[in-house]
This record gives sequence, C-alpha cells and structure tokens, in this order.
Amino acid sequence: QVQLVESGGGVVQPGGSLRLSCAASGFTFSSYGMHWVRQAPGKGLEWVAFIRYDGSNEYYADSVKGRFTISRDNSKNTLYLQMSSLRDEDTAVYYCAKWEGYSSGWYSYWGQGTLVTVSS
Amino acid sequence: QSVLTQPPSASGTPGQRVTISCSGSSSNIGSNTVNWYQHLPGTAPKLLIYRNNQRPSGVPDRFSGSKSGTSASLAISGLQSEDEADYYCAAWDDSLNGPVFGGGTKLTVL
Repeated sequence: QVQLVESGGGVVQPGGSLRLSCAASGFTFSSYGMHWVRQAPGKGLEWVAFIRYDGSNEYYADSVKGRFTISRDNSKNTLYLQMSSLRDEDTAVYYCAKWEGYSSGWYSYWGQGTLVTVSS
Repeated sequence: QSVLTQPPSASGTPGQRVTISCSGSSSNIGSNTVNWYQHLPGTAPKLLIYRNNQRPSGVPDRFSGSKSGTSASLAISGLQSEDEADYYCAAWDDSLNGPVFGGGTKLTVL
C-alpha cells in the first residue's frame, strides 16, 4: 500500500534553515509528481510547492518563493523540502502528497505530516 | 484568506443530509476540476472526491460531489458520527500555477 512518511521537522529560530524529507513506498515514485502542503495552527491547508515526476520543473507558492526549494531523489524514493530564511509564519505541519495528473489533478495520498516550529 | 470560499462550519444530526459549498473563480473552479478532502486533526488528509464527482474506492456512496460554473458542492447523506471532520475543497489555479484550497468547513454531527 502507498506510504508517505515525513521527517525532519523541529524547532528552528527565525532566519534559520531546515530540510524536510518524505520517504515514499508502495508505488512507482519516479512516475508521479509530488507536492508539499502545510497547515498552520488553527488555519486551513496551504499549497507550498510541486515538483514534476522527473524533477524537470518546480513550482512554488508566492509565500515561499526564493526561500524554499523542493527536490527529489528518484533512486531513493524520497522527496525533500529545503527551507531557509524561515519566518514565524512558516510554523505549520508540513505534509507531502502524491499528485495524480498535472493541472486539474488531485492528491491521492498524503503523509501524516511533520511539525515545523519557527520560534526564538 | 483562502482563494476558494467555504462556510467555516456546518452541522447535522445522524441520518440527515448536509451540503458544503465551495466558491471560486474562472481561473480555478471555472476551468479546472474540483476535489474534496476529509481531514481529522492529527491525521493524514484523505481524498474524498476527485474530478468533481468521482469517488475513490473505499469512499462510501453517501459522499457525492457536483460542480456548476465557478462553484462546487459536497453532499453527505445519511450523516454518521464518524463523518465529523474538516472538509476542504481544492482546484488547480491557472493564474497561480498551483492548487488552491478552500478555508475548510468543520462538520459537526449533533
């Protein structure tokens, strides 16, 4: 069965960096686009970033553009999110999600999430 | 503020039918399909409806989706206590070049 397991969350000071990982199993990872989606405390879901199945293109929400980098290693079935210049408002649970399609697609599976807390 | 607009809350008694609305614009719902997710705090969100009205295997037929123009709705019939959760609509946005979500609707089963 499909499994997505996020790791790497924790407490970091404003301006700091953190790298999240998402280990995928149960499907052909290299055939699917992948996303990061976050949920700040008491808020709704917010899309963060998307990478195509082969890593050829990346897309970012305006709120993280220039600070976050999404990448993947298809040989390790792992998705990454490198976060830098972190701000208080980046505090959230970060989910990785398997994407079906390109545009007009949908998230078929999600991970359980990893909590990132930006605080001094 | 979310790009798609949902009511913050909805409620119903067991057995009732409840609908949750989702309003967008021509760049998202108006030109792309709508998906719905169920989310219980502390757990992984779950796909409920994709491509406006398609149910993944394992999702009961009590859940149904529809779309018209720049709006969509999720209907839950035969409401059960286990349906108490947050529900989010989502659609690709051609202007933002990424998916957008509604603010979520907290469903309470009275």
